[in-house]
Amino acid sequence: SQKIEQNSEALNIQEGKTATLTCNYTNYSPAYLQWYRQDPGRGPVFLLLIRENEKEKRKERLKVTFDTTLKQSLFHITASQPADSATYLCALGGWGKLQFGAGTQVVVTP
Amino acid sequence: DGGITQSPKYLFRKEGQNVTLSCEQNLNHDAMYWYRQDPGQGLRLIYYSQIVNDFQKGDIAEGYSVSREKKESFPLTVTSAQKNPTAFYLCASSILGGDDYGYTFGSGTRLTVV
Repeated sequence: SQKIEQNSEALNIQEGKTATLTCNYTNYSPAYLQWYRQDPGRGPVFLLLIRENEKEKRKERLKVTFDTTLKQSLFHITASQPADSATYLCALGGWGKLQFGAGTQVVVTP
Repeated sequence: DGGITQSPKYLFRKEGQNVTLSCEQNLNHDAMYWYRQDPGQGLRLIYYSQIVNDFQKGDIAEGYSVSREKKESFPLTVTSAQKNPTAFYLCASSILGGDDYGYTFGSGTRLTVV
């Protein structure tokens, strides 16, 4: 069956460190992989998109990698700040609609 | 300012009632989507529409209905046939082929059965 797996345990990290989140998938062949941020009680906000022919994408303090052989994406937040505390969702696409993972909560402490 | 508006923010439904959740966008996006979010689960697609007067079922369409009479509007009706409707409902929009660009989400409607 098709699955998108993100770590269900919260990631607790100290301010200034790099947070690394994983998104693993099975039985999908996505053309694109997207990352969203979701705050409690709010809708997700689009952060980054990476295509299947791209290995890495950066945006400010964010970096995403995409390994279609391992069927995995890594999402990095460098120099993390308390304001980065949120749940981060990965989503797979390429067939006209997105399939989402359950998300990983990140807690950045001062 | 362009965006997506969902209303109401909170909605309470009695057993056996149908309720309608509103979703309006002024982004001139062709595609609109409805997702349901339950604790510990990913967003699950209910219905989506890529053009006015046309829509497709998503993964969990049973007990829900939609209409797309205007480009800006995509209301979702939760019918009495939906046995477990308590959830957080999210509406999104995108340009056509939006999985290549990113979705814009509304702020959600939290539906509770009382």
